[in-house]
Amino acid sequence: DTGVSQDPRHKITKRGQNVTFRCDPISEHNRLYWYRQTLGQGPEFLTYFQNEAQLEKSRLLSDRFSAERPKGSFSTLEIQRTEQGDSAMYLCASSLGQGIGNTIYFGEGSWLTVV
Amino acid sequence: EDQVTQSPEALRLQEGESSSLNCSYTVSGLRGLFWYRQDPGKGPEFLFTLYSAGEEKEKERLKATLTKKESFLHITAPKPEDSATYLCAVQAGAAGNKLTFGGGTRVLVKP
Repeated sequence: DTGVSQDPRHKITKRGQNVTFRCDPISEHNRLYWYRQTLGQGPEFLTYFQNEAQLEKSRLLSDRFSAERPKGSFSTLEIQRTEQGDSAMYLCASSLGQGIGNTIYFGEGSWLTVV
Repeated sequence: EDQVTQSPEALRLQEGESSSLNCSYTVSGLRGLFWYRQDPGKGPEFLFTLYSAGEEKEKERLKATLTKKESFLHITAPKPEDSATYLCAVQAGAAGNKLTFGGGTRVLVKP
């Protein structure tokens, strides 16, 4: 399967712990996006990369959040010192980022529960 | 700042009862308007991209249209398997830029 892959799918952590999510985009997609979605709401933009360069970060991305995309392949999203308000689904997406390849495809998401 | 508003928030339909979902948007330099379907606990599944006013796209029982201020997703003779949340998103500026989403419309089709 060549879809966007996210790991882990579910994570339960205690408040104050650090968590890391991984995203493997569709092969050859140079744009990679992270979104957060809470129940009953639409996805909210966090950040995105073109290859290894982080092009934009949302105000939602506090200093406890960091995202990387080394070598322009997979990406990680780390949340330090988790808070209960961080409980949400974290979605990764990818695209070719140009022309007819502008379609943005999402993964199945990583659910985070902070207790 | 780009804004997207979807209405209604929820829609209950009988099987075969056609209806329309609305997506109103404010964006500087629309690049594309995207429709996604999302099932509970899963990621959004791409349906359509519309690029210019007057454009229409169809897929099975779904048809999306676009004007300069809003988009409609028409569901014709829906079936229970069409039950899902439908998300609308806009992309401004260049291809590959981020999407700004609306809150979604939860559709329930009863047999």
